[in-house]
Amino acid sequence: AQSVTQLDSQVPVFEEAPVELRCNYSSSVSVYLFWYVQYPNQGLQLLLKYLSGSTLVESINGFEAEFNKSQTSFHLRKPSVHISDTAEYFCAVIHSGGYQKVTFGTGTKLQVIP
Amino acid sequence: GAGVSQSPSNKVTEKGKDVELRCDPISGHTALYWYRQSLGQGLEFLIYFQGNSAPDKSGLPSDRFSAERTGGSVSTLTIQRTQQEDSAVYLCASSPPSYNEQFFGPGTRLTVL
Repeated sequence: AQSVTQLDSQVPVFEEAPVELRCNYSSSVSVYLFWYVQYPNQGLQLLLKYLSGSTLVESINGFEAEFNKSQTSFHLRKPSVHISDTAEYFCAVIHSGGYQKVTFGTGTKLQVIP
Repeated sequence: GAGVSQSPSNKVTEKGKDVELRCDPISGHTALYWYRQSLGQGLEFLIYFQGNSAPDKSGLPSDRFSAERTGGSVSTLTIQRTQQEDSAVYLCASSPPSYNEQFFGPGTRLTVL
């Protein structure tokens, strides 16, 4: 079985400040890792994903996440946040060897303060 | 191309009534998933389809919940004798055969009065 932990349910941060949203997972097998974002009153959108290769992955809007196998982490970072980044962020994991249902974390609400 | 669509976008019903929620996945996506997102909660897995069969129904909360998928495409989630605790946003997602990404629909917000 696999699980995902997002310890921070809410993260307030001032505009243009850096932010890190934490995600830790547990799994006995190789996994794929994802961050999804949900803007207010919208559905979930894929932000970035790690499948293989470079452990640092980036999104088009300045977010990045680094897969750390030894620490079983996939923290999401952005060096300077914008008001438009206010949203809920979900970390997710899936077994890389075929179907397993995606396991989501409980989400972190990022509130960017002007 | 078109994304995952869900209908209705909002549904208000009275306790005890049955409701049907519809999901149209992306064309060619073989896998389809239903999730429930309650206020203040994360995403709760309900059921997974591969083609028209459902190898994983482990998340359905009670026998009042059922789902079907026809033609390897459209799926319907049915909730019978709705209860107030069924109020939530019901999300559908589909994924291609590689399984490595899920594409989500906008959800159906269900309110049971």
